[in-house]
Amino acid sequence: DTGVSQDPRHKITKRGQNVTFRCDPISEHNRLYWYRQTLGQGPEFLTYFQNEAQLEKSRLLSDRFSAERPKGSFSTLEIQRTEQGDSAMYLCASSLALGQGVSEQYFGPGTRLTVT
Amino acid sequence: AQSVTQLGSHVSVSEGALVLLRCNYSSSVPPYLFWYVQYPNQGLQLLLKYTSAATLVKGINDFEAEFKKSETSFHLTKPSAHMSDAAEYFCAVSGVSGGYQKVTFGTGTKLQVIP
Repeated sequence: DTGVSQDPRHKITKRGQNVTFRCDPISEHNRLYWYRQTLGQGPEFLTYFQNEAQLEKSRLLSDRFSAERPKGSFSTLEIQRTEQGDSAMYLCASSLALGQGVSEQYFGPGTRLTVT
Repeated sequence: AQSVTQLGSHVSVSEGALVLLRCNYSSSVPPYLFWYVQYPNQGLQLLLKYTSAATLVKGINDFEAEFKKSETSFHLTKPSAHMSDAAEYFCAVSGVSGGYQKVTFGTGTKLQVIP
């Protein structure tokens, strides 16, 4: 088990461009989460998948953001028409949930996005 | 609604001294509480978690935390700081609401260890 991986680790883009990030969770984990972390802040929840179903989206996730987990394995987070305010670290986490109880989330190393 | 407040955005301790990082929580349901550590340009690593079993929770690297319901606190301690403990620490609270597990993080405390 290699843990949660994210690609790319760093992304620099110009304002107005689209970017896509990938997250590969721990293989047997059925839940996958995306968070955004800005300097000096803790991670803020963006969205959450149970298998392939996207069950919750934060109000932080504007219409320019979309996330998918098509086969219940890896996930992608796309940001369209990037803005400078999108510059942040995007963290992915996964967990194995049995029932509705709280399960431990394992985090990936993050993708640092810089919008110029 | 749930939230955590971490008191002190920066804490400095001498190597070998006691580490105390403070966290107070607010939750409308019985909480699950976590402490995570984050090294520069890395993701978060779980140090320990409270899930309504023992109130004193032991984690990795000699860290421990005590759940005090009367004080709504979950402070993180370590008897003797090492240089390698220098990092940012996040307290988090989680609860199940509508079948969804939501985790809310605090703003973090940066720990500096002085040789």
